Amino acid sequence: AQKITQTQPGMFVQEKEAVTLDCTYDTSDQSYGLFWYKQPSSGEMIFLIYQGSYDEQNATEGRYSLNFQKARKSANLVISASQLGDSAMYFCAMREVPNTGNQFYFGTGTSLTVIP
Amino acid sequence: EPEVTQTPSHQVTQMGQEVILRCVPISNHLYFYWYRQILGQKVEFLVSFYNNEISEKSEIFDDQFSVERPDGSNFTLKIRSTKLEDSAMYFCASSVSGSYNEQFFGPGTRLTVL
Repeated sequence: AQKITQTQPGMFVQEKEAVTLDCTYDTSDQSYGLFWYKQPSSGEMIFLIYQGSYDEQNATEGRYSLNFQKARKSANLVISASQLGDSAMYFCAMREVPNTGNQFYFGTGTSLTVIP
Repeated sequence: EPEVTQTPSHQVTQMGQEVILRCVPISNHLYFYWYRQILGQKVEFLVSFYNNEISEKSEIFDDQFSVERPDGSNFTLKIRSTKLEDSAMYFCASSVSGSYNEQFFGPGTRLTVL
């Protein structure tokens, strides 16, 4: 089974609008971390936001927020007030307990295009 | 702001040749990783490295691959005999600890095997 599922291969959003990128995850561990990374066309991976499994509040970082629904095993990324520079691939990732070698499991990504 | 660096940014090689991809992790980080991303696909874990030894590796990381931390700053990925399917972007990452901190990724090395 896939550890991370991103069901939206491509999304479009109007500039200044909000957009939600979906992510569901699969783990039997109680302790894990969820991450979102942005990959612009230049190729680098840019960390955006982190949510710990025990965090009671949804994580926020500027215009990024993470809608964490633990019972549904979802960790959707919300980008408010979209900007043209937000056009990129977005990857959801999960890290389980440390003794698994700390690897990240990545989803297949969502390509976001912001329309002026 | 400290960052992970990788060299070269792009490497072209002939099938069967050995390549070494170099990374300089962030200086106070203790955990190091290699990932690869075949064009248009998701990022895949290759190997994690801590305390001068491999802590985990994926199925992709077969005998053709090796990692080394030859000195206090560099972290290298060697592919002994490259295959066409090794063409991908290779990312190095590092993290402070083995808990839930984010991994900081380098800009990647694009490897093209002809």
